[in-house]
Amino acid sequence: DAGVTQTPRHEVAEKGQTIILKCEPVSGHNDLFWYRQTKIQGLELLSYFRSKSLMEDGGAFKDRFKAEMLNSSFSTLKIQPTEPKDSAVYLCASSRTEISNERLFFGHGTKLSVL
Amino acid sequence: AQKVTQTQTSISVMEKTTVTMDCVYETQDSSYFLFWYKQTASGEIVFLIRQDSYKKENATVGHYSLNFQKPKSSIGLIITATQIEDSAVYFCAMRNYNQGKLIFGQGTKLSIKP
Repeated sequence: DAGVTQTPRHEVAEKGQTIILKCEPVSGHNDLFWYRQTKIQGLELLSYFRSKSLMEDGGAFKDRFKAEMLNSSFSTLKIQPTEPKDSAVYLCASSRTEISNERLFFGHGTKLSVL
Repeated sequence: AQKVTQTQTSISVMEKTTVTMDCVYETQDSSYFLFWYKQTASGEIVFLIRQDSYKKENATVGHYSLNFQKPKSSIGLIITATQIEDSAVYFCAMRNYNQGKLIFGQGTKLSIKP
Protein backbone atom coordinates (compact mmCIF):
# COMPACT_ATOMS: atom_id res chain seq x y z
CA ASP A 1 0.00 0.00 0.00
CA ALA A 2 1.15 3.51 -0.73
CA GLY A 3 1.94 5.64 2.28
CA VAL A 4 1.02 9.28 2.83
CA THR A 5 2.08 11.39 -0.14
CA GLN A 6 2.88 15.06 0.23
CA THR A 7 3.69 17.51 -2.53
CA PRO A 8 5.77 19.48 -3.09
CA ARG A 9 8.75 18.36 -0.99
CA HIS A 10 10.13 21.90 -0.98
CA GLU A 11 8.45 25.24 -1.48
CA VAL A 12 9.98 28.70 -1.57
CA ALA A 13 7.64 31.68 -1.36
CA GLU A 14 7.93 35.43 -1.19
CA LYS A 15 6.31 37.17 1.75
CA GLY A 16 2.65 37.82 0.99
CA GLN A 17 2.24 34.99 -1.50
CA THR A 18 -0.40 32.29 -1.31
CA ILE A 19 0.84 28.74 -1.22
CA ILE A 20 -1.05 25.44 -1.30
CA LEU A 21 0.38 22.24 0.09
CA LYS A 22 -1.11 18.90 -0.91
CA CYS A 23 -1.58 15.57 0.85
CA GLU A 24 -2.90 12.17 -0.16
CA PRO A 25 -3.59 9.95 2.88
CA VAL A 26 -3.20 6.18 3.00
CA SER A 27 -6.07 4.57 1.12
CA GLY A 28 -8.92 3.73 3.49
CA HIS A 29 -7.79 6.06 6.25
CA ASN A 30 -10.50 8.43 7.46
CA ASP A 31 -8.49 10.53 9.93
CA LEU A 32 -6.18 13.17 8.46
CA PHE A 33 -3.89 15.54 10.32
CA TRP A 34 -1.78 18.55 9.39
CA TYR A 35 1.13 19.42 11.69
CA ARG A 36 3.75 22.14 11.59
CA GLN A 37 7.23 21.32 12.83
CA THR A 38 9.79 23.91 13.93
CA LYS A 39 12.84 23.59 16.15
CA ILE A 40 11.39 25.94 18.74
CA GLN A 41 7.73 24.87 18.86
CA GLY A 42 8.11 21.23 17.89
CA LEU A 43 5.11 19.47 16.35
CA GLU A 44 2.01 21.65 16.44
CA LEU A 45 -1.40 20.46 15.28
CA LEU A 46 -2.86 22.70 12.58
CA SER A 47 -5.95 20.77 11.54
CA TYR A 48 -7.62 17.42 12.08
CA PHE A 49 -10.30 15.84 9.86
CA ARG A 50 -12.41 12.80 10.50
CA SER A 51 -14.29 11.42 7.50
CA LYS A 52 -13.76 14.76 5.74
CA SER A 53 -15.28 16.77 8.62
CA LEU A 54 -13.07 19.33 10.33
CA MET A 55 -12.70 18.30 13.97
CA GLU A 56 -9.91 20.63 15.07
CA ASP A 57 -8.73 23.82 13.42
CA GLY A 58 -5.64 24.58 15.46
CA GLY A 59 -6.78 27.73 17.25
CA ALA A 60 -3.87 30.09 16.75
CA PHE A 61 -3.52 29.09 13.13
CA LYS A 62 -7.03 30.08 12.06
CA ASP A 63 -6.42 33.45 10.48
CA ARG A 64 -4.04 32.64 7.61
CA PHE A 65 -4.14 28.86 7.52
CA LYS A 66 -6.95 26.91 5.94
CA ALA A 67 -7.02 23.15 5.50
CA GLU A 68 -9.61 21.44 3.34
CA MET A 69 -10.48 17.87 2.60
CA LEU A 70 -11.91 17.88 -0.89
CA ASN A 71 -12.53 14.15 -0.90
CA SER A 72 -11.48 11.19 1.20
CA SER A 73 -8.22 10.83 -0.69
CA PHE A 74 -6.99 14.43 -0.98
CA SER A 75 -6.39 17.35 1.32
CA THR A 76 -4.87 20.80 0.91
CA LEU A 77 -3.37 23.32 3.31
CA LYS A 78 -3.51 26.91 2.12
CA ILE A 79 -1.41 29.63 3.74
CA GLN A 80 -2.50 33.13 2.73
CA PRO A 81 -0.66 35.46 2.93
CA THR A 82 2.63 33.84 3.85
CA GLU A 83 5.00 35.41 6.37
CA PRO A 84 8.67 34.59 7.10
CA LYS A 85 7.65 33.06 10.44
CA ASP A 86 5.72 30.40 8.50
CA SER A 87 9.02 28.85 7.43
CA ALA A 88 8.80 25.28 8.76
CA VAL A 89 8.20 21.68 7.77
CA TYR A 90 4.53 20.89 7.23
CA LEU A 91 3.60 17.29 7.87
CA CYS A 92 0.49 15.40 6.87
CA ALA A 93 -0.51 12.17 8.63
CA SER A 94 -3.40 9.73 8.44
CA SER A 95 -4.87 6.85 10.40
CA ARG A 96 -7.86 4.55 10.44
CA THR A 97 -10.86 5.82 12.38
CA GLU A 98 -12.35 2.53 13.47
CA ILE A 99 -9.54 1.82 15.90
CA SER A 100 -8.92 4.75 18.24
CA ASN A 101 -5.54 3.46 19.35
CA GLU A 102 -4.35 3.28 15.75
CA ARG A 103 -0.95 4.76 14.98
CA LEU A 104 -0.47 7.62 12.56
CA PHE A 105 1.32 7.25 9.24
CA PHE A 106 3.30 10.34 8.30
CA GLY A 107 4.24 11.80 4.96
CA HIS A 108 7.76 13.05 4.30
CA GLY A 109 6.66 16.63 4.77
CA THR A 110 6.91 19.85 2.79
CA LYS A 111 9.71 22.20 3.74
CA LEU A 112 8.47 25.75 3.33
CA SER A 113 10.83 28.71 3.17
CA VAL A 114 9.29 32.19 3.13
CA LEU A 115 11.64 34.98 2.11
CA ALA B 1 -6.63 20.02 28.30
CA GLN B 2 -4.07 17.59 26.99
CA LYS B 3 -0.38 18.16 27.42
CA VAL B 4 2.72 16.05 26.85
CA THR B 5 6.09 17.02 28.31
CA GLN B 6 9.53 15.68 27.53
CA THR B 7 12.10 17.44 29.69
CA GLN B 8 15.22 15.80 28.29
CA THR B 9 16.34 17.83 25.28
CA SER B 10 19.18 15.52 24.34
CA ILE B 11 20.85 12.34 25.58
CA SER B 12 24.13 10.75 24.54
CA VAL B 13 25.04 7.15 25.39
CA MET B 14 27.52 4.53 24.30
CA GLU B 15 26.51 1.87 21.82
CA LYS B 16 25.11 -1.40 23.26
CA THR B 17 23.98 0.25 26.49
CA THR B 18 20.43 0.86 27.75
CA VAL B 19 18.81 4.29 27.65
CA THR B 20 15.58 5.61 29.16
CA MET B 21 13.71 8.64 27.84
CA ASP B 22 11.15 10.33 30.06
CA CYS B 23 7.67 11.61 29.26
CA VAL B 24 4.84 12.91 31.44
CA TYR B 25 1.34 13.73 30.26
CA GLU B 26 -1.82 15.49 31.38
CA THR B 27 -5.36 14.51 30.48
CA GLN B 28 -8.85 14.64 31.95
CA ASP B 29 -9.91 11.43 30.24
CA SER B 30 -9.82 8.05 31.94
CA SER B 31 -9.04 6.20 28.71
CA TYR B 32 -6.20 7.25 26.46
CA PHE B 33 -3.37 5.95 24.35
CA LEU B 34 0.31 6.78 24.59
CA PHE B 35 2.70 6.48 21.70
CA TRP B 36 6.38 6.83 20.95
CA TYR B 37 7.57 7.89 17.51
CA LYS B 38 11.06 8.22 16.09
CA GLN B 39 12.19 10.88 13.63
CA THR B 40 15.28 9.96 11.66
CA ALA B 41 17.86 12.34 10.25
CA SER B 42 16.04 12.28 6.92
CA GLY B 43 12.93 13.66 8.62
CA GLU B 44 10.88 10.50 8.40
CA ILE B 45 8.60 9.90 11.41
CA VAL B 46 7.85 6.29 12.26
CA PHE B 47 5.77 4.66 14.96
CA LEU B 48 7.64 2.60 17.54
CA ILE B 49 5.38 1.41 20.34
CA ARG B 50 2.04 2.09 22.07
CA GLN B 51 0.59 1.76 25.57
CA ASP B 52 -3.16 1.62 26.17
CA SER B 53 -4.08 3.28 29.47
CA TYR B 54 -6.30 0.41 30.60
CA LYS B 55 -3.52 -2.17 30.25
CA LYS B 56 -1.33 -2.79 33.28
CA GLU B 57 1.38 -4.66 31.41
CA ASN B 58 4.17 -2.57 29.94
CA ALA B 59 4.31 -2.82 26.17
CA THR B 60 7.40 -4.33 24.53
CA VAL B 61 8.35 -4.44 20.86
CA GLY B 62 11.79 -5.71 19.90
CA HIS B 63 14.39 -3.75 21.85
CA TYR B 64 11.85 -1.07 22.80
CA SER B 65 9.85 -1.28 26.01
CA LEU B 66 7.77 1.11 28.07
CA ASN B 67 7.73 1.98 31.74
CA PHE B 68 4.10 2.98 32.31
CA GLN B 69 3.44 4.55 35.71
CA LYS B 70 -0.19 5.62 35.57
CA PRO B 71 -0.37 7.25 39.05
CA LYS B 72 2.52 9.50 38.01
CA SER B 73 1.14 10.10 34.49
CA SER B 74 4.46 8.90 33.18
CA ILE B 75 5.42 6.82 30.16
CA GLY B 76 9.14 6.22 29.74
CA LEU B 77 10.72 4.63 26.67
CA ILE B 78 13.51 2.14 27.29
CA ILE B 79 15.85 1.09 24.51
CA THR B 80 18.11 -1.85 25.31
CA ALA B 81 21.27 -2.84 23.43
CA THR B 82 21.34 0.48 21.60
CA GLN B 83 22.73 0.66 18.08
CA ILE B 84 24.17 3.55 16.09
CA GLU B 85 21.03 3.61 13.96
CA ASP B 86 18.94 4.36 17.05
CA SER B 87 20.33 7.89 16.87
CA ALA B 88 17.27 10.05 16.19
CA VAL B 89 14.72 12.34 17.82
CA TYR B 90 12.13 10.51 19.89
CA PHE B 91 8.65 11.92 20.41
CA CYS B 92 6.13 10.93 23.03
CA ALA B 93 2.47 11.48 22.08
CA MET B 94 -1.01 11.04 23.52
CA ARG B 95 -4.45 10.48 22.07
CA ASN B 96 -7.62 10.46 24.19
CA TYR B 97 -10.11 7.66 23.60
CA ASN B 98 -12.93 9.89 22.40
CA GLN B 99 -10.77 12.39 20.55
CA GLY B 100 -8.79 11.69 17.48
CA LYS B 101 -6.11 14.34 17.73
CA LEU B 102 -2.60 13.29 18.67
CA ILE B 103 -0.62 15.68 20.87
CA PHE B 104 3.18 15.49 20.85
CA GLY B 105 5.90 16.31 23.34
CA GLN B 106 8.88 18.44 22.35
CA GLY B 107 11.11 15.48 21.55
CA THR B 108 14.39 14.09 22.90
CA LYS B 109 17.43 13.87 20.66
CA LEU B 110 19.28 10.61 21.22
CA SER B 111 22.88 10.21 20.09
CA ILE B 112 24.54 6.80 20.19
CA LYS B 113 28.34 6.88 20.33
CA PRO B 114 30.45 4.01 18.96
